[in-house]
Amino acid sequence: EVELVESGGGLIQPGRSLRLSCVASGFSFPDNAMHWVRQAPGKGLEWVSGISWTGGITAYADSVRGRFTISRDNAKNSLYLQMNSLRAEDTALYFCVKGSRVTTVVTRFDFWGQGAPVTVSS
Amino acid sequence: DIQMTQSPSSLSASVGDRVTITCRASQSIRTSLNWYRQKSGKAPKLLIFGASNLQSGVPSRFSGSGSGTDFTLTISSLQPEDFATYYCQQSSSTPLTFGGGTKVEIK
Repeated sequence: EVELVESGGGLIQPGRSLRLSCVASGFSFPDNAMHWVRQAPGKGLEWVSGISWTGGITAYADSVRGRFTISRDNAKNSLYLQMNSLRAEDTALYFCVKGSRVTTVVTRFDFWGQGAPVTVSS
Repeated sequence: DIQMTQSPSSLSASVGDRVTITCRASQSIRTSLNWYRQKSGKAPKLLIFGASNLQSGVPSRFSGSGSGTDFTLTISSLQPEDFATYYCQQSSSTPLTFGGGTKVEIK
């Protein structure tokens, strides 16, 4: 059974940093692209970032490029999102998402974790 | 960036109704279009990928069609668990983008 478990969310002041983690199980993690997708309270879905199976290709939404960094550790079946210079508009539920079994980051979203809440407020 | 526009933004329907949701891309995405259902307070779930392919385990009452810029999700007979919000998503190029969502409510 596929499982994605996010951690690291919480309340953080504007301008500070936070690191989200996601541990995967139930599938061959090194063979799949992975993504972070967020959902602000009461709003729709927004793709944040994606990383290829080797980590050699990364991509970001314009809204986070230069502030957020995605990474993965295939030996630990883990995905990360380092979020710096956080803003109020980054407040959202952040989902760890399994991508397709392809070599790029341009994928569908096969399976979603339950999400880690991030609130940016003073 | 490819903009995805869904319509309607909401609709009211009854159990057993046939429901159709449309999604339009701002440029051709061939068949790189996926559909998700998000129940209230839950994570989204993939229903259809590649415009018309049913994800494993998804009931056959769901179907998708279209190519290029215009796409459709059809639920042939609405069930109680289908009252939710539906999103389309393009997987043609980054940034990966979603439609604004269609909320299906009980009439």
